[in-house]
Amino acid sequence: KAGVTQTPRYLIKTRGQQVTLSCSPISGHRSVSWYQQTPGQGLQFLFEYFSETQRNKGNFPGRFSGRQFSNSRSEMNVSTLELGDSALYLCASATGTAMNTEAFFGQGTRLTVV
Amino acid sequence: GEDVEQSLFLSVREGDSSVINCTYTDSSSTYLYWYKQEPGAGLQLLTYIFSNMDMKQDQRLTVLLNKKDKHLSLRIADTQTGDSAIYFCAESALSGGYNKLIFGAGTRLAVHP
Repeated sequence: KAGVTQTPRYLIKTRGQQVTLSCSPISGHRSVSWYQQTPGQGLQFLFEYFSETQRNKGNFPGRFSGRQFSNSRSEMNVSTLELGDSALYLCASATGTAMNTEAFFGQGTRLTVV
Repeated sequence: GEDVEQSLFLSVREGDSSVINCTYTDSSSTYLYWYKQEPGAGLQLLTYIFSNMDMKQDQRLTVLLNKKDKHLSLRIADTQTGDSAIYFCAESALSGGYNKLIFGAGTRLAVHP
């Protein structure tokens, strides 16, 4: 079965712009989580969605937001981009039960802010 | 608090065993994971262990868990050049009643002939 698909793979934006990233989870998975990976901070949890509801959130400013659709696809939006937002953004899908977080990751979207 | 630590670099000779170590802080973690990341790629789940186990073996991979010391290790037997990658240890941490993954900084494994 198809894995987690993230689009686009690469993106270049300028400071102050906004960006939307997309993630299609594995079929049947209802949980989608987003992570930011940077050389300095490593992998940091952004938020998790399950059945169109955000049920977990990391320590990121309000410029970072997301949503999930009824087909479990998720989008992440970053507004007023800053240079420090340049990172690899990874999405993970899981079946979503609270005690089982066997998460499968997509290849990520590499965002460069110039 | 939530924190996962691992050594940053490991170099081994091809054919030898590799052991990557990790310590974590959240004693309520239910699952502990090892992920592999190759250059330009996302994270690949290698294996995971439930917190009430102390060992899990999967082909060349052996995971050891010392829950008392909050220490997790990944042993790769007969290490090959294709095993060169960054290996991330992660724990599932309860937050607001649901799980999220807390990752270590990653251990870069270099395999040389």
